Amino acid sequence: EPEVTQTPSHQVTQMGQEVILRCVPISNHLYFYWYRQILGQKVEFLVSFYNNEISEKSEIFDDQFSVERPDGSNFTLKIRSTKLEDSAMYFCATRTGSTDTQYFGPGTRLTVL
Amino acid sequence: LAKTTQPISMDSYEGQEVNITCSHNNIATNDYITWYQQFPSQGPRFIIQGYKTKVTNEVASLFIPADRKSSTLSLPRVSLSDTAVYYCLVGPLPGGGNKLTFGTGTQLKVEL
Repeated sequence: EPEVTQTPSHQVTQMGQEVILRCVPISNHLYFYWYRQILGQKVEFLVSFYNNEISEKSEIFDDQFSVERPDGSNFTLKIRSTKLEDSAMYFCATRTGSTDTQYFGPGTRLTVL
Repeated sequence: LAKTTQPISMDSYEGQEVNITCSHNNIATNDYITWYQQFPSQGPRFIIQGYKTKVTNEVASLFIPADRKSSTLSLPRVSLSDTAVYYCLVGPLPGGGNKLTFGTGTQLKVEL
């Protein structure tokens, strides 16, 4: 069964550094999402992306965050200047255009020191 | 989006049937009910979706009464590997329009 993959599985960075989290969607999927989950808390929506542009973003997704699909395969989330409170699991999710089921990747654990 | 209420946690033993009920009193006419499962340190996984009456797949059954103000996820003969958090989501297709809005879910713990 096709799966969403994410790299790296764990990223440790210093506060103020830039990080890029990568996701490889399932091949025929058209809609892409990033969510995050702070330890012990809810899964929170960050952003949705379709047709090479952002469809919707949450209040969390401020100017420090950006997304792109640079090469038609990878879907990336960039955090320009990480803060301690950005430490969380970041999940990529994708879906086709014909169903609303979102398929989640295994996540990237981001630790900001 | 309709607000959902689920028990915070449930305990069960292997081989038992587990029923997790979700209340959604303000469900709208065009809302669907979707359940996701999340294992520790993994992303959520779709389990089942329904609009009314009963839906069954290879993993679970979903029971929705006529007034649709609640729904029950039924897991037959659970095993240790069913220990996870189960989320009830309510919203219009597709997936609430776009994003999924997760609550705190129900932590199911299955023991021997």
